Amino acid sequence: DAGVTQSPTHLIKTRGQHVTLRCSPISGHKSVSWYQQVLGQGPQFIFQYYEKEERGRGNFPDRFSARQFPNYSSELNVNALLLGDSALYLCASSLVSGVSTGELFFGEGSRLTVL
Amino acid sequence: GESVGLHLPTLSVQEGDNSIINCAYSNSASDYFIWYKQESGKGPQFIIDIRSNMDKRQGQRVTVLLNKTVKHLSLQIAATQPGDSAVYFCAENSPGNKLVFGAGTILRVKS
Repeated sequence: DAGVTQSPTHLIKTRGQHVTLRCSPISGHKSVSWYQQVLGQGPQFIFQYYEKEERGRGNFPDRFSARQFPNYSSELNVNALLLGDSALYLCASSLVSGVSTGELFFGEGSRLTVL
Repeated sequence: GESVGLHLPTLSVQEGDNSIINCAYSNSASDYFIWYKQESGKGPQFIIDIRSNMDKRQGQRVTVLLNKTVKHLSLQIAATQPGDSAVYFCAENSPGNKLVFGAGTILRVKS
């Protein structure tokens, strides 16, 4: 069975550009969460979506946005990129919405480098 | 504010020995805790979880201990193997359907 798949795996952007990262959850999972992991740190929560609705938002600026599609896949968009946005962006899926009620399965991540 | 922290950033153990990775959390209202393992170039992998109504849970070669009195969490790995080398994160649930992760502990297994 396919796990959580993310694309692209690596990408390089310059300051001011925008980026779209994509995630396909495990088949049957309706919840997708996005995390940012800066090198040497633990993942930081960005968004959680369940049944196409935003259910949680972390402490990130409005340059970060996301959406979930009818097939439960998701996109994370970041506008006006800054050097500090360089990180590994992780997508995680789960069967249900609450983090206390379902195991989160993480993808391999999208490594974003902003020059 | 919310924070989950680790006492030791790097832990080196001999193959076959037991490993203990510690974690302190600050939110006394958290009721669910998870340990993740992250190998280089990969996403975090679920190891074991524990709810606040328990103080110990065992898995295959791993045990998680929860001490709510001092807000401390630990992961014990029995008979550590080279394949256990990775970064280990503890995480706690937080309002808003999110997990709050600690900074991580690097586990190095010496053969």
